[in-house]
Formats: sequence, C-alpha cells, structure tokens
Amino acid sequence: DAKTTQPNSMESNEEEPVHLPCNHSTISGTDYIHWYRQLPSQGPEYVIHGLTSNVNNRMASLAIAEDRKSSTLILHRATLRDAAVYYCILRPDSGYALNFGKGTSLLVTP
Amino acid sequence: DGGITQSPKYLFRKEGQNVTLSCEQNLNHDAMYWYRQDPGQGLRLIYYSQIVNDFQKGDIAEGYSVSREKKESFPLTVTSAQKNPTAFYLCASSTGYSNQPQHFGDGTRLSIL
Repeated sequence: DAKTTQPNSMESNEEEPVHLPCNHSTISGTDYIHWYRQLPSQGPEYVIHGLTSNVNNRMASLAIAEDRKSSTLILHRATLRDAAVYYCILRPDSGYALNFGKGTSLLVTP
Repeated sequence: DGGITQSPKYLFRKEGQNVTLSCEQNLNHDAMYWYRQDPGQGLRLIYYSQIVNDFQKGDIAEGYSVSREKKESFPLTVTSAQKNPTAFYLCASSTGYSNQPQHFGDGTRLSIL
C-alpha cells in the first residue's frame, strides 16, 4: 500500500487558517485521499476526501497537487474544538480498510 | 439518528478470560471493521467483513475472533490467547466503496485486572 508522510505536530492560533500537509509520492492513479481526525478518547471522524480535484465541504478544504504526490487539508478558521490528531490516508479503489499512520497532532491556542 | 454503537465503553478482563465487545450499526452498511489503537499510535486493523457470513483477517488478528451473522452486528471476542489486550478498540462501518467514508463508533477501552 502507498504510504503517507505527515508532520508529527503543528500549532495554530485560534481563528487563523491552518494548512496541514501530507506527502504521498507513491500514490497510484486510483487511490483516493481521505482525511480523518480524532479527538481524545473518541473514534475518528471523517473530514473530507478527494481523487484529483480540490474539494470543499462545511468542515474543511482539500487541495491536491497537480501530480497528486501531495495534498493539504485547510481549516479556514481554527477553533479550540479543532484540536485533534489529523490522519491523511490513501484508500485504493479495491481496498476496504483504512491504513492509519500516526497523523499530525494539531494544537490550537487561544 | 443513524450511527454506530459500541458497548461497553469500559471493560476489564481477568487473566484467562474471553471477553466480547459489541458493535451495532443502523446505517445499512455492508462493510464493518474492527481496529485496535494503542496509546500514541494510529489504528491497526484486526478484522473486517464485507458482507454477512464472511470476514477476513487484518494485520493483527491473532488472539481475536469475530462473527457476522447479521448485517447490523459485528461482535469482537478478545480471547485468552491475546496476551496484551489492553487497548482502545474501535468499530467502523462503510458502504465498502473506496470513495465513501468509514463511520466510527466511540470505542471500547479494555484493561486487564
């Protein structure tokens, strides 16, 4: 399975935009890019996913590089409730399970 | 509301004892999954089921067993053969298509007495 690389941790000020990077240089043409986040002592929560084009939803935006070897999750205005571990995951077209790494721990300060 | 229910929230196991974790979903999803999470780590796949009466081993299936007799239910048994069962266990479900998200329960935290 193709792997992803994320920074271990990032910090942001409240109400500022946050850009969470993910590198996936070995991505295949049919791999979807999924993002989940996990708050302490809770199950992961789906954030957004995409294949080739940039995607927006009520939670975040996903910017995908033209060569698809990297992507960026964008939180437009960070709140204290956005403090969580964010996972970038590649999901093959024929795959069922999600391959979670260690993710990026986002700290949001007032 | 539709979702996934895991029970119990906390569970304690004695040495040599089997324990069963419950997972129920009312999302009409075909696929269900069990993951294990150790402190400070990501999730690792234990078992998954794509359809009723069928399931496959994940990366760390040793010491665990599952059944899928109903679409809504996917219980996980932690057997006495699992020597290090203390962890956070998460159940998920999905339609099974790779462009659709997985929905997770709130987890069961298992500890050894």
